[in-house]
Amino acid sequence: DIQMTQSPSSLSASVGDRVTVTCQASQDISDYLNWYQQKPGKAPKLLIYDASNLETGVPSRFSGSGSGTDFTFTISSLQPEDIATYYCQQYDNIPYTFGQGTKLEI
Amino acid sequence: EVQLLESGGGLVQPGGSLRLSCAASGFTFSNYAMSWVRQAPGKGLEWVSDISGSGRTTYYADSVKGRFTISRDNSKNTLYFQMNSLRAEDTAVYYCAKDRYLDSSSGAFDIWGQGTMVSVSS
Repeated sequence: DIQMTQSPSSLSASVGDRVTVTCQASQDISDYLNWYQQKPGKAPKLLIYDASNLETGVPSRFSGSGSGTDFTFTISSLQPEDIATYYCQQYDNIPYTFGQGTKLEI
Repeated sequence: EVQLLESGGGLVQPGGSLRLSCAASGFTFSNYAMSWVRQAPGKGLEWVSDISGSGRTTYYADSVKGRFTISRDNSKNTLYFQMNSLRAEDTAVYYCAKDRYLDSSSGAFDIWGQGTMVSVSS
C-alpha cells in the first residue's frame, strides 16, 4: 500500500496568514492526489484534484502543487471559516490511501 | 442538486451483520463509480470499497475483504454495503462517496453523503 505522510499534524495560525501543508507519498503517484477539507461533524469536501486543480466553487485562496512523491497545499490568506482538518489522498493505486490529517486552528 | 443520503447504521454486537444504503439523486447514478469510506471516532479517513458504475467490478481494502460486500441497484439509484462478521474495530462513521469522473473508478471523490454511524459493541 502507498503510505501518505502529512505534516504538520496540527497547525495554529492567524487570520490572513499564509498556511502550507505538505504531503509525501511512499512511492511515485504522478499527480493522482486530492486534498479534502473536513469540518467537525461534517463529511469531507473535495478542494483540489489532480494535485493542483481547484474544484468548482472552491475559493481561489486554496491551491495545490507537486507531483511524484512531494505535494503542497496552501491557503494564501487564512479565513476564520477555514478552520478544519485537511487530508491528502492518493488515487494512483488501490487501496486509495489518505494522509493522517492536518488540524488547522486559529 | 447532487445528493447522497446514507442510512442503516446502528449498534450491533460483535459477529453481527448490518446493511448500509446510500440513496443518490441529482446525477445519472449508473454513470459513476461509488465508494465507501469510513472514519473511526477521532481518527482519519479510510477507504474501504469501490464499485464500478455497472456494478461488475468491485474492490475492497484488506481490512474488510471477505466480510463486507458492496453492491448497487442502478434502477433504484442506491448503493449498498453488506457488513458481516462485524468487529469492534469496524466502529466508524461510514460515508458513501461519488467518483468525480464519468465511467471511471478513479478514486477521486467529489460528492460525499453525511455519513451513518456503525457501532460494534457487546
